[in-house]
Amino acid sequence: IAGITQAPTSQILAAGRRMTLRCTQDMRHNAMYWYRQDLGLGLRLIHYSNTAGTTGKGEVPDGYSVSRANTDDFPLTLASAVPSQTSVYFCASSDSLAGNTGELFFGEGSRLTVL
Amino acid sequence: GQNIDQPTEMTATEGAIVQINCTYQTSGFNGLFWYQQHAGEAPTFLSYNVLDGLEEKGRFSSFLSRSKGYSYLLLKELQMKDSASYLCAVEDSNYQLIWGAGTKLIIKP
Repeated sequence: IAGITQAPTSQILAAGRRMTLRCTQDMRHNAMYWYRQDLGLGLRLIHYSNTAGTTGKGEVPDGYSVSRANTDDFPLTLASAVPSQTSVYFCASSDSLAGNTGELFFGEGSRLTVL
Repeated sequence: GQNIDQPTEMTATEGAIVQINCTYQTSGFNGLFWYQQHAGEAPTFLSYNVLDGLEEKGRFSSFLSRSKGYSYLLLKELQMKDSASYLCAVEDSNYQLIWGAGTKLIIKP
């Protein structure tokens, strides 16, 4: 089934550890995004990529890094995890045109707990 | 600052109609989206409005007034499976999506 795959679906992590959340899409969408979702808050954009080889910072980029080596993959790395990074992380993609976001297709989410 | 406001929670009865409101103040406007998110699942796209007026899609309709910074999502003939959170998001002049916190809709039999 076409779509976005995230891994892991759930992870408990000790503070200070490095963690990479994986995201792969098979829809050949040019744009990809990483969001975090916390109770009582709207989705907040961490990083985005409009096309392979380019990335940009979103609203809450500190403590996170991304890469976009090819169209399909967009991993998110926490270099040294802190408890405030406990959240549900969603990867999304869109076939954006002329800057418009367009419809977002979301992965199933990765629930991360940092102790 | 940029802001999206929607009610935190609403309750409605199966078979009835419910209207979920969304007001926004953003730097420019390039469109408004509604997404549905069932508990523990990913958001899924419902509707997109960029011009004033009503867009109807089956049991769901979405309305936009750009001059008032206002939208609503109308759900008719409510079913138990409509119990979910409904997220309003506005695309600003930089094509960045600004998200509301979501409205949790509880459907009672």
